[in-house]
Amino acid sequence: EVQLVESGGGVVRPGGSLRLSCAASGFTLGDYDMSWVRQVPGRGLEWVSGIYWNGDTTRYADSVKGRFTISRDNARNSVYLQMNSLRAEDTALYHCARDSLLGWFDPWGQGTQVTVSS
Amino acid sequence: QSVLTQPPSVSGAPGQRVAISCTGSNSNLGAGYDVHWYQQLPGTAPKLLIYGNTYRPSGVPDRFSGSKSGTSASLAITGLQAEDEADYYCQSRDSSLGGSVFGIGTKVTVL
Repeated sequence: EVQLVESGGGVVRPGGSLRLSCAASGFTLGDYDMSWVRQVPGRGLEWVSGIYWNGDTTRYADSVKGRFTISRDNARNSVYLQMNSLRAEDTALYHCARDSLLGWFDPWGQGTQVTVSS
Repeated sequence: QSVLTQPPSVSGAPGQRVAISCTGSNSNLGAGYDVHWYQQLPGTAPKLLIYGNTYRPSGVPDRFSGSKSGTSASLAITGLQAEDEADYYCQSRDSSLGGSVFGIGTKVTVL
């Protein structure tokens, strides 16, 4: 079964850092691009960051550029999101998703909650 | 404010047909990028419902159909069932933003 499981979320103060992890199983991670998408109730879904299958190319939403870093370890079947200088508006449920070459996301993980609050 | 515009809610009686619109711009749908649709049931992760404008993944009932024309797209549900009550999101790529964009989501209520 193809599965993505996120971890690493929590409560952090503004300006703090967190590192999210996404563990992939049931497929060869190195064959796919991967993305992080966040969700805030009432505000829908927001694509945050993406990384190519080999890690050579990364992309970021303007809202997180310069603060977040996506990375991957295909040998460990994992994708990561390092989040620095966190702000209240980064509070969300963060999903990991497998990115098809033609633009859709399938499957998605259940997500890990990040709350930025003083 | 989302880049793709969807109605916040639609509703219909069991057995009826409902449609959800998704309106973009010349940097996403109008630029030729495909639109994809996701269904999110309460408490679960989004699930791919339609990809490449019109294609259904294996296991998705043929009650769900998608279309796209210019800067607009639409998801139709025919023969609405109680289990279709969920949030639905459209998604595409955007050339000016350099990544993927989503609609704010449409809540479908079965009356």
